[in-house]
Amino acid sequence: QQQVKQSPQSLIVQKGGISIINCAYENTAFDYFPWYQQFPGKGPALLIAIRPDVSEKKEGRFTISFNKSAKQFSLHIMDSQPGDSATYFCAASITSGTYKYIFGTGTRLKVLA
Amino acid sequence: EAGVAQSPRYKIIEKRQSVAFWCNPISGHATLYWYQQILGQGPKLLIQFQNNGVVDDSQLPKDRFSAERLKGVDSTLKIQPAKLEDSAVYLCASSEPGLAGFIEQFFGPGTRLTVL
Repeated sequence: QQQVKQSPQSLIVQKGGISIINCAYENTAFDYFPWYQQFPGKGPALLIAIRPDVSEKKEGRFTISFNKSAKQFSLHIMDSQPGDSATYFCAASITSGTYKYIFGTGTRLKVLA
Repeated sequence: EAGVAQSPRYKIIEKRQSVAFWCNPISGHATLYWYQQILGQGPKLLIQFQNNGVVDDSQLPKDRFSAERLKGVDSTLKIQPAKLEDSAVYLCASSEPGLAGFIEQFFGPGTRLTVL
C-alpha cells in the first residue's frame, strides 16, 4: 500500500512532441505528489508538485494532471526538448506525518533531436 | 546558496569491508535524509533526521547500517560490513519547514558505492 507504481520504464519522444509519464498509488493518505528530474551523475531535483485538492498544475512546459478518484497522476512535458532527456521520478508523501517520500521506479526519457 | 554536499563521490570496496559517507546539508535545514538508490530504481529512504534526532529509520538495515547527525548539521552514514547488494548510489537530501503543504527536498549529487 506504500508503493507508487510508475510507467513507462523508458520513453523515446521526438523533439517537439509530448512526453507523458504515469503514476498510480494505493494509500489515500498521500497528500503531496512531487515530480523529480534526475540527470546522470546528479541528484534528483524538484520539477513540479501538486496537492490533491487541484486536478491540474502547470509550470511552463510541465503539467501535472491529478485524478483523485482513480488514485493516478501524470506528468506531461509539452514541446519536449533534447535537454529534457533525463530520468523522471514521481513520489508521494503524507504531509501530516514525517513527510518522507515514496518514489516511483523512474522513467528514462530520451528526446530525439 | 550552496547545495547539499556529499563525499566521497565514488567508492569501491571489497565485501565485508567498512565504508562511511559524509553529508553537509544546506545551511539552516533542520531535516536531513539518507536515501539508497539502486540502479534502475527510485530512491528509497533509509533514515530521516530532524535536527539531531531520528524521525524514521524503519528501512535502515540496522545490523550493518548506522547513521548519526551530531550537532544537527553534518551527517555520516556507515556500512559495516558491506555486502554485494549494497552497491548503489547513496543520496543525502535536506529540507526546511516551509509553507504548509510544500516542503522541497534538496538532493546532493550522491556517492556511488561499488562492492566487489
